[in-house]
Amino acid sequence: TQLLEQSPQFLSIQEGENLTVYCNSSSVFSSLQWYRQEPGEGPVLLVTVVTGGEVKKLKRLTFQFGDARKDSSLHITAAQPGDTGLYLCAGDLGNTGKLIFGQGTTLQVKP
Amino acid sequence: SAVISQKPSRDICQRGTSLTIQCQVDSQVTMMFWYRQQPGQSLTLIATANQGSEATYESGFVIDKFPISRPNLTFSTLTVSNMSPEDSSIYLCSVEGASGRTYDEQFFGPGTRLTVL
Repeated sequence: TQLLEQSPQFLSIQEGENLTVYCNSSSVFSSLQWYRQEPGEGPVLLVTVVTGGEVKKLKRLTFQFGDARKDSSLHITAAQPGDTGLYLCAGDLGNTGKLIFGQGTTLQVKP
Repeated sequence: SAVISQKPSRDICQRGTSLTIQCQVDSQVTMMFWYRQQPGQSLTLIATANQGSEATYESGFVIDKFPISRPNLTFSTLTVSNMSPEDSSIYLCSVEGASGRTYDEQFFGPGTRLTVL
């Protein structure tokens, strides 16, 4: 049973297009993190969302945490080839310090 | 965030042998974790490395297969024992971010890419 469902798992788009990645769960998270991982490297933390309904922006990336803290989304505006990579959401169920990861979304942005 | 290094960055090993992976952090951290990332997959937590006591393993992972040491607050090792091709993965260590926050953030090392023949 996957506690954190991430979709889509693969996404191939043209430069300039917009996209949204979703993470959904039936569990409530105390916080949720989004990471980006490039081949041969470890995941790099993009953002942490903590409060239900919270919206955070990082340049062309917009992160949203659901009101009930069970789901989150990542929206990229005007995607660029440099956005290519594996995007991972990860939730902390109860301030345990242990993260549960979604399946990941492999994004390819073609020039 | 802390700077995390791992050694080796990659290795190719023979079936039945063991490999020890090192994780070094540039500052003292309370929580350190070890993850496995199988080819094309997401991350799965292996264990929490506890300083001065035995590691806490997640379901499906056992100490005999993945012994972990944590001698101090900046260093940990993970050994992959009696390896088989199914152990071919990227192994990542992570540390919890700065204390004082009301939530937890983890930062990852660059990973060790292991191939078992």
